This record gives sequence, C-alpha cells and structure tokens, in this order.
Amino acid sequence: EVRLVESGGGLVQPGGSLRLSCAASGFTFSTFWMSWVRQAPGKGLEWVADINQDGSATKYVVSVKGRFTVSRDNTKNSLYLQMNSLRAEDTAVYYCARPLLSGEIFDSWGQGALVTVSS
Amino acid sequence: DIVMTQSPDSLAVSLGERATINCKSSQSLLHSSNNKNQLVWYQQKPGQPPKLLISWASTRESGVPDRFSGSGSGTDFTLTISSLQAEDAAVYYCQHYSFDPYTFGQGTKLEIK
Repeated sequence: EVRLVESGGGLVQPGGSLRLSCAASGFTFSTFWMSWVRQAPGKGLEWVADINQDGSATKYVVSVKGRFTVSRDNTKNSLYLQMNSLRAEDTAVYYCARPLLSGEIFDSWGQGALVTVSS
Repeated sequence: DIVMTQSPDSLAVSLGERATINCKSSQSLLHSSNNKNQLVWYQQKPGQPPKLLISWASTRESGVPDRFSGSGSGTDFTLTISSLQAEDAAVYYCQHYSFDPYTFGQGTKLEIK
C-alpha cells in the first residue's frame, strides 16, 4: 500500500522559512517523479513543484519560483520542500503527491501539512 | 498557462438522480501522440486529500464505482454521476496535465438535495 506522510508544518512569520518532509513507503520511491500540491483554507488546489527520479530536474509554479526548493533523498525514501521568504498567501495545506509514470496524474496523496504564515 | 473553468460552482441533486459537472480548458488537452485528452477528475471530501477518479478524461480508476463517468474532448469535458449516492457528496476538481503549471479547476461542490 502506498503511504505518504508529511511533517514539518506549523506557524511561521512572514519572511520566515520552513522545511516540509514527506516520508514515502509501499512503492519504489526512486522510480517516480514526486510533487507538492497545496490548498489554501477553503480554496482550491494548486500544483506547487515537481522533482524527477534522481533529483536532477525540478519544476515550480511561478509564484514560488526562487523562494521554494524541492529536493529528495532516495536513500531515505523522502521528499522535501524548503520554503523561504514565506508570505501570507503561502498559507495552505501542503500535500505530498505521487504522479503516475504517464504524467502528472496524482494517484496517491498524503494527508497534508498545514503551513500558516502570520505575524 | 492553461485556465480550467468548472461549472457550476455548486449543485444540489437528489439521491438516485444524475449529477453533471462541466470543465472547460483554455487550450486543447488532446495529446497528439496517443489521441487522448490529458484531463483528470478528483473527488475531495472534508478533511481528506483528493482522490483520483478518472484519468485521460474517461478512464475510471480501479475501485471507482461505475456510476462515475468522464467524457469530452479538446476543451470541453464532463463528469457524470449516473445515480447519486449519499457518499458522493464532495467537492470535485478537474485538472490538466498537458504541461506545467498543472492547473486545477476551481472546484464544484456537490450536495445532496
């Protein structure tokens, strides 16, 4: 059974930093792209970032480019999202998601980690 | 960026009746290599992550009840629930996966009348 468990969420002041982690199990982590998708409170879904199997390629939504960095450690079956220069509009539940090999079809999701950016 | 627009924003349907949700993309989602549309539908219930229902616009995922069906091509797509059950109350999202950014529709809230 595929399992994705996020951690590291919390309250941070504007301009601050936070690092999210996602522990993966139940599948061969190193063979899949991985993604972060966020959802602001009461709002819709927004794809944030992707990373390829060996970490050599990444993609970001424009609103986080230059502030967020996605990375992974295949020896630990873990995905990360380093978030810097956080803004109030980054407040959201951040989901770790696994895309299928055929494209960004997210077939498995974690339960999410809440990030609140507020003073 | 491709803009995904769903309609309606919300709807209320009686148990056993048909529910129809529409999704329109600002560009064609037809993939030239396989002649399939790069569109998915998700269901999200309160406090839960989204659940994948349908990919390639019309391919139902394993374990998804056959009352759920997807149709459409190019820029216009539809999710149909043929006979609404109580457990289908949720928010439904479409999403394209043609190229990044992989954008979602704003969501359609389906309630039981």
